[in-house]
Amino acid sequence: DAKTTQPNSMESNEEEPVHLPCNHSTISGTDYIHWYRQLPSQGPEYVIHGLTSNVNNRMASLAIAEDRKSSTLILHRATLRDAAVYYCILRDRDDKIIFGKGTRLHILP
Amino acid sequence: SAVISQKPSRDICQRGTSLTIQCQVDSQVTMMFWYRQQPGQSLTLIATANQGSEATYESGFVIDKFPISRPNLTFSTLTVSNMSPEDSSIYLCSVDRLTNEKLFFGSGTQLSVL
Repeated sequence: DAKTTQPNSMESNEEEPVHLPCNHSTISGTDYIHWYRQLPSQGPEYVIHGLTSNVNNRMASLAIAEDRKSSTLILHRATLRDAAVYYCILRDRDDKIIFGKGTRLHILP
Repeated sequence: SAVISQKPSRDICQRGTSLTIQCQVDSQVTMMFWYRQQPGQSLTLIATANQGSEATYESGFVIDKFPISRPNLTFSTLTVSNMSPEDSSIYLCSVDRLTNEKLFFGSGTQLSVL
């Protein structure tokens, strides 16, 4: 399985944008980049995914480097409810999803 | 979105017994997965539940310990057999409907083994 590297933890102030980085230098051409987050005491929830182009949805934006070896999840205006563990995952077509350690995001009021 | 009902939500079990966890989805799904999350850790994939055939297990997990059934496209069970305290974890069911679409997760089963 292709691997991703994320910082263990990050901090951000409430109402400011947050940029969560992810490195995936061994990504293959058919790997999609997925982001999930896990709020305290809950199962993971989907955030966003993409292949090559940048993606936007109501929760976040995903910026994918031109060589696809890295990506950044952008939360445009963090709230306290965004405090969670964020997982960057590579998924090949209908393959299984393997979770790494993720980034624990702390939001400061 | 897919609505997933996972039961039980929590249980306390005695060493040596078995517990079966159920995962019911409100619509047909292509793939179903079972994960384990030990305290303070990330999720570890146990197996992929295949409809009409044996589950595909990840390294470190075996059918005798974690038998899985998937009789149809909306339902699966995971049994944790001959439990020991090391099996105390949260067990999560997840599904996806379409190829390479997002996964949906159940709310999990908090298992404590005494």
